[in-house]
Parts: sequence; structure tokens; C-alpha cells
Amino acid sequence: QSALTQPASVSGSPGQSITISCTGTSSDVGGYNYVSWYQQHPGNAPKLMIYDVSDRPSGVSNRFSGSKSGNTASLTISGLQAEDEADYYCSSYTSSSTLVFGSGTKVTVL
Amino acid sequence: QVQLQQWGAGLLKPSETLSLTCAVYGGSLSGYYWSWIRQPPGKGLEWIGEIDHSGSTNYNPSLKSRVTISIDTSKNLFSLKLSSVTAADTAVYYCARASEAFDIWGQGTMVTVSS
Repeated sequence: QSALTQPASVSGSPGQSITISCTGTSSDVGGYNYVSWYQQHPGNAPKLMIYDVSDRPSGVSNRFSGSKSGNTASLTISGLQAEDEADYYCSSYTSSSTLVFGSGTKVTVL
Repeated sequence: QVQLQQWGAGLLKPSETLSLTCAVYGGSLSGYYWSWIRQPPGKGLEWIGEIDHSGSTNYNPSLKSRVTISIDTSKNLFSLKLSSVTAADTAVYYCARASEAFDIWGQGTMVTVSS
């Protein structure tokens, strides 16, 4: 199975909003509302930020939001802060009853 | 609060079998899928496979021929075996709980394959 496609890098200034895309196919992202997003700081395990396309786990800042249109899911970070600088990965359930991750996006706060 | 604690050999030779175990503390295995995920140095995440409390498994097709995930409900733990390892299997391996998503992760184990 092929990794979902994410931009390699996205950057923004503090306070700005950025959006990370995650493109798949009708067999994964487009076919199910089981898209999740993870934040990973260097040397740490990933942290769940969004699940089921747009739901936030308890304790995750409401500056993080998710959406989906067709075969592309998106993660938006509003009011960008220095602590948001990290790698971000999307994940989706697939029609083969497997899971697939995105290629990953490095977010830089300028 | 549920925590995952994982362990296993960190250095293997090519053709050996990778073996990792993940213990679940503070919660039950029932009602969830339990997954293994890996991350080669400097690269992205790769889902390896999952198992539920009944032993039902799903595997990444690219690894399926070499992977076995098992579960021991009496000890509240699950395990990963990956056979015939090569340098391409060098990675940090994570165990994780899957509800709607991977909401709880183990601390990660660095596994290096080198002759």
C-alpha cells in the first residue's frame, strides 16, 4: 500500500494559520471518515491530535482542526506557536482493513 | 491511566528474527486493536499490523509474509515477531492502542540490524 501524500514542509509565522494536506484515494481517505493526525517532536513518540477527520481528543488545543473533501484531508493549525514546530503525520483506514500513514510534513515556525 | 511498556532485543544480525513485547498497564486488552508501527531513522511512520483481544489480526501487505503478532490476555501483553530481518528493518518500533485512532503509544524501541 502506498503512503498518503503530504507536503514535505510547511512554515508560518507565530500567530498565523497553516494547513497541511493529506491526499489519498477513494479506497482510503475518500472512502472512510477514519482519518487521524499525529504530532511528533524529535525523539518522542507521536501524539494523537485529531481522529475521525475532525474530532479532538481531550487535552488537545482547539487551535488544531481537521477536515476532509473528497480524497484529501487537511489539518489546520491556527494561532501558530513555537511549540507547534514538529513533524505531522496523517493516517487513514483502508478498504483492505489496513491502516496507512502519510509521508509526513515538517512544520517550521519562522 | 493506560500505559504501554515495550521491550525487546535492540541489535540483530541479518536473517535473524526480531522479537518485541508490549505490556498494557492500567487497562484491559478488550475492546481495542493493538498495533505495531515502525519508523526508520529520519523517515516516516509505517503501520506493521494489529491484533484484537480474540487474536484476530490484520497485517501490512508489504510485511505480511514475515510478520506475526500474537496476544496473551492472561498477561495483558501482545508481541511482534518479524522474521528474516535485513538492514531495511532498522527502525524505532512502537506499540500502540487503536481505538478510533492510535491514542496511546509505547516509548519506542530502537532496533538495529547489522552484521
